[in-house]
Amino acid sequence: DQQVKQNSPSLSVQEGRISILNCDYTNSMFDYFLWYKKYPAEGPTFLISISSIKDKNEDGRFTVFLNKSAKHLSLHIVPSQPGDSAVYFCAASAKTAGNKLTFGGGTRVLVKP
Amino acid sequence: GAGVSQSPSNKVTEKGKDVELRCDPISGHTALYWYRQSLGQGLEFLIYFQGNSAPDKSGLPSDRFSAERTGGSVSTLTIQRTQQEDSAVYLCASSLAARGAYNEQFFGPGTRLTVL
Repeated sequence: DQQVKQNSPSLSVQEGRISILNCDYTNSMFDYFLWYKKYPAEGPTFLISISSIKDKNEDGRFTVFLNKSAKHLSLHIVPSQPGDSAVYFCAASAKTAGNKLTFGGGTRVLVKP
Repeated sequence: GAGVSQSPSNKVTEKGKDVELRCDPISGHTALYWYRQSLGQGLEFLIYFQGNSAPDKSGLPSDRFSAERTGGSVSTLTIQRTQQEDSAVYLCASSLAARGAYNEQFFGPGTRLTVL
């Protein structure tokens, strides 16, 4: 039973355009959501997060939107840059579960120059 | 400053052998997590340590898997009688105390385990 799903395994976008990554979850106990970025042979690095009490969080080129009623979140990267090419993981956490992360399957993003 | 380190970076073993994977968390981080990423999959939670509390072992896939955290710092993940389906990248993460507000988890580079 996958509690966090990323339905698009890959995404290709032109440099300078917007990348939109989507994530759906099923567990209503999740109260914190994160996006991690992963390059090959490296561990995931934290990108941006959002608490369940908010519906938007912005950090530079990265914005995360949360729709609690739809149990859906998305990551917008604008403008996309070639260095953004990586695998992006959506993750969710519940305070009641000690902050262990439940990850989606990842979306591989390729930004073409 | 030093991040989370893991050793070895790569481990190839034969089916049926035992393996030990090591994680050195960031100094001062009291929470430590183990995850694994199988080929083409997302990261899967295995086990979580928080200070002196009993670890949360709810993600361990079988009793062949165990982990220790000595002195509240270094952790060792042990897989006994390895099977081919154990092949994966094993990732360790650490964070400040996981109480109340979420604290960011910092990941190590992982250990790639291949069971032949």
